[in-house]
Amino acid sequence: EDKVVQSPLSLVVHEGDTVTLNCSYEVTNFRSLLWYKQEKKAPTFLFMLTSSGIEKKSGRLSSILDKKELFSILNITATQTGDSAVYLCAVAGAGSYQLTFGKGTKLSVIP
Amino acid sequence: DAGITQSPRYKITETGRQVTLMCHQTWSHSYMFWYRQDLGHGLRLIYYSAAADITDKGEVPDGYVVSRSKTENFPLTLESATRSQTSVYFCASSGRGGHGNTEAFFGQGTRLTVV
Repeated sequence: EDKVVQSPLSLVVHEGDTVTLNCSYEVTNFRSLLWYKQEKKAPTFLFMLTSSGIEKKSGRLSSILDKKELFSILNITATQTGDSAVYLCAVAGAGSYQLTFGKGTKLSVIP
Repeated sequence: DAGITQSPRYKITETGRQVTLMCHQTWSHSYMFWYRQDLGHGLRLIYYSAAADITDKGEVPDGYVVSRSKTENFPLTLESATRSQTSVYFCASSGRGGHGNTEAFFGQGTRLTVV
């Protein structure tokens, strides 16, 4: 059974701080790992990672995958109140069309 | 409008009633998915569909029925609603290869309460 564990479950930081969110996984025949941001409604896609060691970046957000150690991190630099959300990590196994999600990390950024 | 839309956004129903949640996407995506999201469990897959007339069970399919007669629609039916089915339901779609190969787009969700 595929498994995704995210840590911490919740995090409170001040604006301008840098945060690192963790995602470890167990999956049969790994294909990809995805990060989503969920505010009060639908999850929105951030990154998809398939290769180890290659950093994906989008503005202040970046993510990297370590397929040997079976984890990924999501970094957010210079946090803003708009970054407050639940960040979801999910994995897909080869031959599977479904994603297994972690329970998410709730990030709260206070002014 | 282009995108993926769910209806209704909110629904209250009684135990034992049949309820259908609708999902419509305009991208002609092959893959569509239904998830439920509950505190302490995160998002869990109920059913998915790889194409019209092709559906398969996910992690928590019991008590639910799906159909997909047209590519753009993927309704989810609770045949006899139970309180344990109180949840937020998300529909999602993605292109060829499903979530693992391409970005998935989620609908705004339906908050269902079974009393």
